[in-house]
Amino acid sequence: GENVEQHPSTLSVQEGDSAVIKCTYSDSASNYFPWYKQELGKRPQLIIDIRSNVGEKKDQRIAVTLNKTAKHFSLHITETQPEDSAVYFCAASRNTGGFKTIFGAGTRLFVKA
Amino acid sequence: DAGITQSPRYKITETGRQVTLMCHQTWSHSYMFWYRQDLGHGLRLIYYSAAADITDKGEVPDGYVVSRSKTENFPLTLESATRSQTSVYFCASSEFQGPDTQYFGPGTRLTVL
Repeated sequence: GENVEQHPSTLSVQEGDSAVIKCTYSDSASNYFPWYKQELGKRPQLIIDIRSNVGEKKDQRIAVTLNKTAKHFSLHITETQPEDSAVYFCAASRNTGGFKTIFGAGTRLFVKA
Repeated sequence: DAGITQSPRYKITETGRQVTLMCHQTWSHSYMFWYRQDLGHGLRLIYYSAAADITDKGEVPDGYVVSRSKTENFPLTLESATRSQTSVYFCASSEFQGPDTQYFGPGTRLTVL
């Protein structure tokens, strides 16, 4: 069945460095790719998303890139801060031929001060 | 975030008992979703609803039942709870018809003994 692979599962960076999390999806009908941040004991919250007709999107220190040919999308966080420490989830969604959304297994990001 | 609530927040039950998890949103969002979150699996879609009286299966529907008689409520019932259903359950809602930002509730931690 369809799946979303997310790497790495754990990422540790120094404050001020950049962090990159990568996801690969298998369902070629996917057309919406959100990224959620989940702090310990809290609910997932959207931080950025991208649709299939766009290759890149940026919001301050956060950017997402999408390569539809390779079925690959990535989250980039620049100038990381301790408050960026959390679990990040990617997802691939579609609503053609029935709604489906598949989440990656998550990346635990540690930002060391 | 206060627009979507879940109850109870914590629940302990025994194998074979029926359990209902409640979800309520005040935004009049059309779409509502139920996910379960388990370590190493990210979020997995159980059921979703496009509108009142319209529900459909997600990735892992077995052992669960949903209903949606009113737009604002989307209860999830475990008809005969099993230990494998021990998990954190998140309800979410989305305003638009296509795949779009999902707003998550605070979650319900369910333990089945």
